[in-house]
Amino acid sequence: SQTIHQWPATLVQPVGSPLSLECTVEGTSNPNLYWYRQAAGRGLQLLFYSVGIGQISSEVPQNLSASRPQDRQFILSSKKLLLSDSGFYLCAWSLSGLAGTRTGELFFGEGSRLTVL
Amino acid sequence: AQSVTQPDIHITVSEGASLELRCNYSYGATPYLFWYVQSPGQGLQLLLKYFSGDTLVQGIKGFEAEFKRSQSSFNLRKPSVHWSDAAEYFCAVGAPLSNQFYFGTGTSLTVIP
Repeated sequence: SQTIHQWPATLVQPVGSPLSLECTVEGTSNPNLYWYRQAAGRGLQLLFYSVGIGQISSEVPQNLSASRPQDRQFILSSKKLLLSDSGFYLCAWSLSGLAGTRTGELFFGEGSRLTVL
Repeated sequence: AQSVTQPDIHITVSEGASLELRCNYSYGATPYLFWYVQSPGQGLQLLLKYFSGDTLVQGIKGFEAEFKRSQSSFNLRKPSVHWSDAAEYFCAVGAPLSNQFYFGTGTSLTVIP
């Protein structure tokens, strides 16, 4: 069966420090991968998605970047964190359909709570 | 533009009572529809999904949802709520042949004994 792992679960970082959140999926090949941010009362905001190695689509201009160095690895990064980067970050995957489009539902990791002080 | 509306920010129900969480969507065609549940500090778990066919879909944990095309709604129901159902519930729309996936802002459910 497929599983998704996300770490670290909790992170407290000072303003201006770098960030790296990692996500890996097991049990499937060539998944579509997604990073979401969840702010209280505002639902989920899609930050990035990837349909293949090295292919990243950004949905919202921001202080963050994403990379996909391996088929089932997705990394969320920042060179210098801002206070506004605080939030709950969720990695997700889906099966890949025609031309890299998503088929079916999203499967989520357990999330990473980032607090920027 | 595509959007998902969950008009109830917070709902409180008594244990054993019935539950209905509302979801309305705006989309140009028939989308894929989903309900997810999130416990505090956790990821989202899929409760049920609708792609096509029977408009009444059954999910896990005794939940069901009904797709009503004329009302652009996909309301979630449960006949008898358990204390363990207290969580945040998200309705979502997934555009077919796309990587777009739109979430509502969620409904927080409190269950009182």
